[in-house]
Amino acid sequence: SAVISQKPSRDICQRGTSLTIQCQVDSQVTMMFWYRQQPGQSLTLIATANQGSEATYESGFVIDKFPISRPNLTFSTLTVSNMSPEDSSIYLCSVAGDRAQPQHFGDGTRLSIL
Amino acid sequence: DQQVKQNSPSLSVQEGRISILNCDYTNSMFDYFLWYKKYPAEGPTFLISISSIKDKNEDGRFTVFLNKSAKHLSLHIVPSQPGDSAVYFCAARTLGDYKLSFGAGTTVTVRA
Repeated sequence: SAVISQKPSRDICQRGTSLTIQCQVDSQVTMMFWYRQQPGQSLTLIATANQGSEATYESGFVIDKFPISRPNLTFSTLTVSNMSPEDSSIYLCSVAGDRAQPQHFGDGTRLSIL
Repeated sequence: DQQVKQNSPSLSVQEGRISILNCDYTNSMFDYFLWYKKYPAEGPTFLISISSIKDKNEDGRFTVFLNKSAKHLSLHIVPSQPGDSAVYFCAARTLGDYKLSFGAGTTVTVRA
């Protein structure tokens, strides 16, 4: 399966600031996704990162808060904007080569907002 | 609305015995089900999957059973080993879609 690298692995940020998380894959993939796992909860899909076009956001998530880029088939970024303590979560990137294959996840970015 | 439910937040089992993890779903359009295993500070790792056209899939010590009429699936780990101690997530998706819906997870602890 693809090797997925996420940066940073963790960060502590101040309220009101923004942080950009990077996801790099060692091979071209069709689909890339961004998930959030809030403390003690399950994984929730934020959006599907579409190569060369705007991301597709799930209900409850908006582009102004979580802008996403995907300039090519191996790289995507998620920005968490104007952060508040409620944004303290693990943010995970996942990829899928085709629909017949399971999604594979990066190790996540553990984000704490003070 | 949580479409995939794992009602047991934790499970403790003795090494060598069977671990049984359960998962229920509400969306009858789900056609593909997966189990992921997650260690602390790591991302979820794909474990095993099953298509809705099957009722059982086996891979080594791991077997997944699907009961479509009951909208229920289970993961059996036999025999359980200390390295199996982790959080296990059940996930599902619908035909023609990549998006996964996850359960809340079950923390498995294997006792020596």
